[in-house]
Amino acid sequence: GNSVTQMEGPVTLSEEAFLTINCTYTATGYPSLFWYVQYPGEGLQLLLKATKADDKGSNKGFEATYRKETTSFHLEKGSVQVSDSAVYFCALGLSGDGGYQKVTFGTGTKLQVIP
Amino acid sequence: DARVTQTPRHKVTEMGQEVTMRCQPILGHNTVFWYRQTMMQGLELLAYFRNRAPLDDSGMPKDRFSAEMPDATLATLKIQPSEPRDSAVYFCASGLWGENQPQHFGDGTRLSIL
Repeated sequence: GNSVTQMEGPVTLSEEAFLTINCTYTATGYPSLFWYVQYPGEGLQLLLKATKADDKGSNKGFEATYRKETTSFHLEKGSVQVSDSAVYFCALGLSGDGGYQKVTFGTGTKLQVIP
Repeated sequence: DARVTQTPRHKVTEMGQEVTMRCQPILGHNTVFWYRQTMMQGLELLAYFRNRAPLDDSGMPKDRFSAEMPDATLATLKIQPSEPRDSAVYFCASGLWGENQPQHFGDGTRLSIL
């Protein structure tokens, strides 16, 4: 079946540090890949996405590159801020019977940025 | 920005009571999803709809949960009777049908069953 594996959290970084959150996937097919972010007390928000191999998704200083050869979609940011503290979810979307796209989410990685 | 609206934001009730959670999807979106989030299980898909028709509700306990879309602006998730193990945050999300379409989440209903 389809699955997403994220690095265990929590990840604690100092402000302006470099961030990497690892994500690998298993899929029977050619998925689209997403990163969602969840701030405390809120729902998930799409952060970025990539739909084919070697695509780079980017938003708000975050980047992730779709690596088909390593089945990975690692999230990176060059300089984190306290406001980036949240839970980050990696997800894959794969079309199934009837054309619908089922999304499989990872377990989430909590990021805490300290001043 | 258009948002998915969920009500109530918080609900505390006793075991055995009926619980109804409501969701107003973003206008123009034709797919609606219900998720449950717990610390132990993470984010679980309960059900989803396309053009108000249920397509997949395999993640939902059939004996006590039901999901409906009475019209395009309202989706409901009901639990009857509720049990303490149903305590979780329930999210509704909406989107457009098709590949690569992201889901837009509401802020959730935090449900506590005593």
